[in-house]
Amino acid sequence: QKEVEQNSGPLSVPEGAIASLNCTYSDRGSQSFFWYRQYSGKSPELIMFIYSNGDKEDGRFTAQLNKASQYVSLLIRDSQPSDSATYLCAARSGNTPLVFGKGTRLSVIA
Amino acid sequence: DGGITQSPKYLFRKEGQNVTLSCEQNLNHDAMYWYRQDPGQGLRLIYYSQIVNDFQKGDIAEGYSVSREKKESFPLTVTSAQKNPTAFYLCASTWGGLSNEQFFGPGTRLTVL
Repeated sequence: QKEVEQNSGPLSVPEGAIASLNCTYSDRGSQSFFWYRQYSGKSPELIMFIYSNGDKEDGRFTAQLNKASQYVSLLIRDSQPSDSATYLCAARSGNTPLVFGKGTRLSVIA
Repeated sequence: DGGITQSPKYLFRKEGQNVTLSCEQNLNHDAMYWYRQDPGQGLRLIYYSQIVNDFQKGDIAEGYSVSREKKESFPLTVTSAQKNPTAFYLCASTWGGLSNEQFFGPGTRLTVL
């Protein structure tokens, strides 16, 4: 059974701090990884994807992938109250459907 | 504007009724997906389709049916056999390639009365 695990939170960080969201996956064949942000009552929106070991930066967001440890993370720098949401991690192997974690709820305190 | 549309946004159903949720995309994506989300839960895959006239069951297909007669359309029918249909239903689509970015529609919230 392919699984993606996330701490459900809530993760609380003060405004301006770095938020660190973590995710582990069970399928070593997973090749691409995705982070989605979901506001309450809304659909998920794609933040970033990564498929190579190392870091990938996009604005205030950095995705990190360590395939040896089967670990993916998302760092949010200069966290803002508007970043408060649930963050979903997903993994895919080949052309199979994404496998989603249950999400981590982030709360940025002003 | 390119994107994925779902209708209706809210749907109320009486027990014993079948209802069909619409999903349309004009992104020219090959693959389309239906997910169910319950409060405080992640996304569970119901059905997916990678090409027209073909679809596969996901993890929780019982009580649901789909069709894929056109590339841009992937309607989901929630049948009376689905015992707990009240949930948030999300449609998604994917173009292809290694990144395989998957985009979601706005969702349909189904409530059984």
